[in-house]
Amino acid sequence: DTAVSQTPKYLVTQMGNDKSIKCEQNLGHDTMYWYKQDSKKFLKIMFSYNNKELIINETVPNRFSPKSPDKAHLNLHINSLELGDSAVYFCASSQDKGSYDEQYFGPGTRLTVT
Amino acid sequence: GQSLEQPSEVTAVEGAIVQINCTYQTSGFYGLSWYQQHDGGAPTFLSYNALDGLEETGRFSSFLSRSDSYGYLLLQELQMKDSASYFCAVRPPGGGFKTIFGAGTRLFVKA
Repeated sequence: DTAVSQTPKYLVTQMGNDKSIKCEQNLGHDTMYWYKQDSKKFLKIMFSYNNKELIINETVPNRFSPKSPDKAHLNLHINSLELGDSAVYFCASSQDKGSYDEQYFGPGTRLTVT
Repeated sequence: GQSLEQPSEVTAVEGAIVQINCTYQTSGFYGLSWYQQHDGGAPTFLSYNALDGLEETGRFSSFLSRSDSYGYLLLQELQMKDSASYFCAVRPPGGGFKTIFGAGTRLFVKA
């Protein structure tokens, strides 16, 4: 009965490769997010989707392409991986209640680019 | 612009009370949220202050003062399991579904 799930949990790959991370939420939320957390634990939003529509794209390189096939899923595809992409990527979801902001995070995907 | 400032580390003794401050420089926001993150884990929601004042949830309380551009998370009866990172966060108006997080405060609870 996991609320927000991500796969894979760990991802080790070489520079230049293309990889995808999948996210699913079973909470019935209408908004989903991708965050990047660096080695200093700084948590920065990358994208947010509301009802499958892209709302926020926070100056992320276009090598990163999110895709939301439905409200319960938000995937992240990364092309031409670089060393600087190494980080933990968190998916999150929330129910739009106006200003109220309570987000549920997935377990994270630790990406290591060598 | 929007920025949130938190102390990088706080150390306290088991059973004590600790306050983690969050000061912000922002043109406006809807409310102040707090999240907890254990090492290797995911951030988990703790509290949300839409209005000025104190919100209490068990051992944790959160406070907001918009006039002072200041908020804090208060943890009482500290337990070893409270050792974690704590993040404050705001959602600026007009920013869609964008949440800005502070850099986090690492809390060490000692026996």
